[in-house]
Amino acid sequence: AQTVTQSQPEMSVQEAETVTLSCTYDTSESNYYLFWYKQPPSRQMILVIRQEAYKQQNATENRFSVNFQKAAKSFSLKISDSQLGDTAMYFCAFMKPLSLRLIFGTGTRLQVFP
Amino acid sequence: NAGVTQTPKFQVLKTGQSMTLQCAQDMNHNSMYWYRQDPGMGLRLIYYSASEGTTDKGEVPNGYNVSRLNKREFSLRLESAAPSQTSVYFCASSPRDRDYTYEQYFGPGTRLTVT
Repeated sequence: AQTVTQSQPEMSVQEAETVTLSCTYDTSESNYYLFWYKQPPSRQMILVIRQEAYKQQNATENRFSVNFQKAAKSFSLKISDSQLGDTAMYFCAFMKPLSLRLIFGTGTRLQVFP
Repeated sequence: NAGVTQTPKFQVLKTGQSMTLQCAQDMNHNSMYWYRQDPGMGLRLIYYSASEGTTDKGEVPNGYNVSRLNKREFSLRLESAAPSQTSVYFCASSPRDRDYTYEQYFGPGTRLTVT
């Protein structure tokens, strides 16, 4: 069975600085999808970024980028130029193709300080 | 375009009572899901529906039933609520388009307390 581990329950960063959230996963599949979701205090889950394991290139979305290390089964999220609105819980998630089942990590609570 | 909507937003039940959580999406998505979120445990899949007319168990289906009423609506029923079902419940939907993006779009959640 696949598992997703987020070893940092809480992190903090100063506004405009860069922070990296860690995620590791365990799978025997060769192709799969990885996601980072953001959950602000409003509770709404929002997709931040998505990576397909077959793609070598790391995904980027504006200030958000990932460091995908397939051999190490690591999928970290880097947030550059942190903003107060980035304060949220961040969840890493894994999905096998066609399974439709997202497996979430336990989350990292990120606090951005002014 | 409202996306994924859930009703109610909050609910308090007594042990043994029943209730149905409603979910609807207006994005013409084929697949729909129910998750529960508990402190320190992330989101766990309760049931999902790959397409209209099908439902499947997820990680934690015990104590729940679901109905995929049509393509838009997917309800979650608690027949006899227990305190262990106190949680925040999220509905989600996803497309099955040619790009197979697999992105799931979430509703705002229902906070359920069972006393």
